[in-house]
Amino acid sequence: DAKTTQPPSMDCAEGRAANLPCNHSTISGNEYVYWYRQIHSQGPQYIIHGLKNNETNEMASLIITEDRKSSTLILPHATLRDTAVYYCIVRSTDKLIFGTGTRLQVFP
Amino acid sequence: DAGVIQSPRHEVTEMGQEVTLRCKPISGHNSLFWYRQTMMRGLELLIYFNNNVPIDDSGMPEDRFSAKMPNASFSTLKIQPSEPRDSAVYFCASSRGTGSGGNQPQHFGDGTRLSIL
Repeated sequence: DAKTTQPPSMDCAEGRAANLPCNHSTISGNEYVYWYRQIHSQGPQYIIHGLKNNETNEMASLIITEDRKSSTLILPHATLRDTAVYYCIVRSTDKLIFGTGTRLQVFP
Repeated sequence: DAGVIQSPRHEVTEMGQEVTLRCKPISGHNSLFWYRQTMMRGLELLIYFNNNVPIDDSGMPEDRFSAKMPNASFSTLKIQPSEPRDSAVYFCASSRGTGSGGNQPQHFGDGTRLSIL
């Protein structure tokens, strides 16, 4: 599975959109982009995934560039409860390989 | 719907003792995964099952670790004998589909926090 690169940390003001970037320049055509988050002391929580098209659900939006070499997770109106580590993962098999993620801090 | 259920939530035991961690996957899911999380190594996949059959155990650290899935609704991860370096949070996850090419999300339990003294 392709390797991903994420910034180690980001800040976001409560109520503003949080845009979390991810680079996956070696992604293959059959690899999906997944986003999970982990709030302290809890299990990783599935957020969203996509292959080529942009995706949106009740939690977030996923924007994948046309060349698929990068993506952005958008939390449209961040709240304090969105403070967590966010993991971007690319996969084509049953396995999930977690990196170190981005620690998002939402402040009042 | 109930999520992935793990027990116990916390376990503290002495070195050398046998430890058994339990997992109940989401009903209808036929893939089950065991992960371990430590500060040093992050989240690591230990083993996973499809339709109750172990598919890949390359992440199991050593022979002291074993995992079973006797039926579709139950799995165990056993450590015997336990050592202090086994202290970690162990997560279980489940998903639909086998060989789906990565198009089925995994859903995680809240983990078992294991401390070996």
